[in-house]
Amino acid sequence: KQEVTQIPAALSVPEGENLVLNCSFTDSAIYNLQWFRQDPGKGLTSLLLIQSSQREQTSGRLNASLDKSSGRSTLYIAASQPGDSATYLCAGTNDYKLSFGAGTTVTVRA
Amino acid sequence: GAVVSQHPSRVICKSGTSVKIECRSLDFQATTMFWYRQFPKQSLMLMATSNEGSKATYEQGVEKDKFLINHASLTLSTLTVTSAHPEDSSFYICSANGQTNEQFFGPGTRLTVL
Repeated sequence: KQEVTQIPAALSVPEGENLVLNCSFTDSAIYNLQWFRQDPGKGLTSLLLIQSSQREQTSGRLNASLDKSSGRSTLYIAASQPGDSATYLCAGTNDYKLSFGAGTTVTVRA
Repeated sequence: GAVVSQHPSRVICKSGTSVKIECRSLDFQATTMFWYRQFPKQSLMLMATSNEGSKATYEQGVEKDKFLINHASLTLSTLTVTSAHPEDSSFYICSANGQTNEQFFGPGTRLTVL
């Protein structure tokens, strides 16, 4: 069974600082890895999807890397803004099922 | 594109009643949909995989007679919480598989059982 861990559980940074969120997984036979954003009381918004054959994906200020051999993915958010405050979840797909980490709650201070 | 809706967004019911939650893929067809529940400050827990035209596959520890899932068409899956009790109060979220196996999530349904 795929186990996904996210560290740290919470992060508080001043506006403008770059964010680095870490995700580790136990089963390297991962099909793909997704990063999501969740605002309080809301559903999930997909941020980036990295296929197993890819090493990274970029969208605007977001960049995510995937290293299957070490079982790690990292989400970088450049020049953070208060609107980036949310919980960020990573999830790995095996057998078409997503296994979620517990998330990193980010607070960007104005 | 790839929008998933859920209805209702919020429901409050009395203990012992049944509640139906709908999940729809609005602009794509989904042969597979997933149902999750999320407790406060916790991550999503997969409850079951819903396959169009066949029985749902439930995760270990999830009571299939308690959480009835029907996937009657390529755009609609329903979750019925039968004889709901306060411990069933939770945030229920569905997702649908897109063409690249990327999962798209609905906005969630907040269930409160009194």
